[in-house]
Amino acid sequence: DADVTQTPRNRITKTGKRIMLECSQTKGHDRMYWYRQDPGLGLRLIYYSFDVKDINKGEISDGYSVSRQAQAKFSLSLESAIPNQTALYFCATSPGEASIYGYTFGSGTRLTVV
Amino acid sequence: KQEVTQIPAALSVPEGENLVLNCSFTDSAIYNLQWFRQDPGKGLTSLLLIQSSQREQTSGRLNASLDKSSGRSTLYIAASQPGDSATYLCAVRGTSGTYKYIFGTGTRLKVLA
Repeated sequence: DADVTQTPRNRITKTGKRIMLECSQTKGHDRMYWYRQDPGLGLRLIYYSFDVKDINKGEISDGYSVSRQAQAKFSLSLESAIPNQTALYFCATSPGEASIYGYTFGSGTRLTVV
Repeated sequence: KQEVTQIPAALSVPEGENLVLNCSFTDSAIYNLQWFRQDPGKGLTSLLLIQSSQREQTSGRLNASLDKSSGRSTLYIAASQPGDSATYLCAVRGTSGTYKYIFGTGTRLKVLA
């Protein structure tokens, strides 16, 4: 099994629908992150969490919300999906400061909003 | 505001060639820089991390250099192989404010057998 598992792998949804992307990890890492990747824009940080009670906005949090249900689970929600949220979404974890310990990334969720 | 640029966006080389991938950043006040590899359908894998006080890091056939003053980093791949085909991204962490990496858009590398 993968260390960081994202579900679903692919999803097509309609504008205005609520959708949840899930991330679970078996690494035992405290820190978890959600990024989105768009062609020509690189990866951008949506939300990050340093532990279950510590959740922070990243650079593009508008239109998104998150829930850290447990140390191992970090979910990203789009309350009312819009087409410009079509992107590849990555969950990542780190045991501490990522710039020292590095990231472990999931395989990504490809979301299409029509 | 930090901006990270990677040129070229795509590169094709014959197997066995040595090659250099470029990463430029606009703010030299960085904490460190990481190079990642991204394979289709998979997540990112960290290749090399260079702290701001370092000039280079090596791992196998990979060598990454850092020149903060000029805002540049290069990833050197020696004796390229078809298995090196992937997208390579660099990411920069600044020294101030909230923890955050700024990612480049990547260079898509294809090594031809």
